[in-house]
Amino acid sequence: ETVLTQSPATLSLSPGERATLSCRASQSVSSDLLWYQQKPGQTPRLLIYDASNRATGIPARFSGSGSGTDFTLTISSLEPEDFAVYYCQHRSDWPWTFGQGTKVEIK
Amino acid sequence: EVQLVESGGGLVQPGGSLRLSCAASGFSFSSYWMSWVRQGPVKGLEWVANIKQDGSVIQYVDSVKGRFTVSRDNAKNSLYLQMNSLRDEDTAVYYCTRGTSGYWGKGTTVTVSS
Repeated sequence: ETVLTQSPATLSLSPGERATLSCRASQSVSSDLLWYQQKPGQTPRLLIYDASNRATGIPARFSGSGSGTDFTLTISSLEPEDFAVYYCQHRSDWPWTFGQGTKVEIK
Repeated sequence: EVQLVESGGGLVQPGGSLRLSCAASGFSFSSYWMSWVRQGPVKGLEWVANIKQDGSVIQYVDSVKGRFTVSRDNAKNSLYLQMNSLRDEDTAVYYCTRGTSGYWGKGTTVTVSS
C-alpha cells in the first residue's frame, strides 16, 4: 500500500500570504495524484488532478506540481475562503489512499 | 447537473448489517466507474471500493474485504454498498463518488455502537 505523508500538519498564515503544502508518497505514484479541499461540515472538493491540472472552476491561485514521490500544492495568495483542510490522494495502484491532511488556519 | 444522493445510514450494533444506496442523476450512470469513500474519526478519509461500468471489475480496500459488497443497477442509476459484520471502526460518513471526477454526494452517516 502506498502511504501518503502530508506536511506540515498545520500551517498558520495570514490572508494574502503564500501557502505551500507538501505530500510525499512512500513509492512512486507517477503523476496520479489529486488534491482536495475540505471545509467543516462539507464534502471534499477536488482542486487538482494528475498532479498539476486544475479541476473545473478552481481559481488560478491554486497550483499543483511534482511527480514520482514528491508533490506540492501552492496557494499563491490566500483568500479568506481558503482556510480549510487539504488532502492529497493517489490513484496509481490499488488501494487508492489519502494523506492525513494539512490544516491551513488563520494566523 | 450531476447529483449523487446517499441513503441508508444509521445506528447499528457491532456485527450487524446495513445497506447503503446512492441515487445518481444528471449524467450517463452506466458510462462511469463508481466508488464509495468513507471518512471516519480515526482513519480519516479511506477509499473503500470501486466498481466498473458493467460491474465486471470490483476493488475493495483490505479492511472491508469479505464483509462489504458493492453493486450497481444501471437501469435504476443506482449504486449500493451492502455492509455486513460491522465493526466499531466502520463508523464513518460514507460518500458515493463518480470515480475520481470530483463529484461526491453529501454522504450518509453510519454509526456502529452497542
